[in-house]
Amino acid sequence: AQSVTQPDIHITVSEGASLELRCNYSYGATPYLFWYVQSPGQGLQLLLKYFSGDTLVQGIKGFEAEFKRSQSSFNLRKPSVHWSDAAEYFCAVGANNAGNMLTFGGGTRLMVKP
Amino acid sequence: EAGVAQSPRYKIIEKRQSVAFWCNPISGHATLYWYQQILGQGPKLLIQFQNNGVVDDSQLPKDRFSAERLKGVDSTLKIQPAKLEDSAVYLCASRLLGTGGNTIYFGEGSWLTVV
Repeated sequence: AQSVTQPDIHITVSEGASLELRCNYSYGATPYLFWYVQSPGQGLQLLLKYFSGDTLVQGIKGFEAEFKRSQSSFNLRKPSVHWSDAAEYFCAVGANNAGNMLTFGGGTRLMVKP
Repeated sequence: EAGVAQSPRYKIIEKRQSVAFWCNPISGHATLYWYQQILGQGPKLLIQFQNNGVVDDSQLPKDRFSAERLKGVDSTLKIQPAKLEDSAVYLCASRLLGTGGNTIYFGEGSWLTVV
């Protein structure tokens, strides 16, 4: 069965500082990997996704993530955080089939200090 | 392009009452999902439809939850009778038919509080 672990429940960074959110997955085959962001009271918005090819993927809002098969990781990064990035971030893994159901991690809540 | 629409956005009911949530997916999206997101946790898949057929409902508590997508477009999720632990956000999502990496789009969710 597939699973996702986000080790950090809360992270606080200063505005302008760099950010890295960790994600580790468990899946028997090549996974589809996603990062979603959820602002308070809102639904989930896709930041980026990885299916194959270049292991460094670029997303919206200046985010990027790197797939490392040897470490079963898909960490999300941003070089300079803005106050508007404060939200909850979810990593998810999808099965490589027609259904492509997503299994989500528990989320990381990002707080940004001025 | 219109997104995934859900209603009602917020609902408060007493335990043992019933509630229904409605979802209208993005036009043309054959696959529809209902997820349950308990506060502080990631979303958990309840049921997946492909057109009007159920693909996976293995995590749906069928003694109290039901869902249908009769015409292969919009969908309804019902809870009867509700329990306190059903308090959560119910997220509907949709996706184009087919294999591969079509993006799953989420609605804003229906927030349920059971008191």
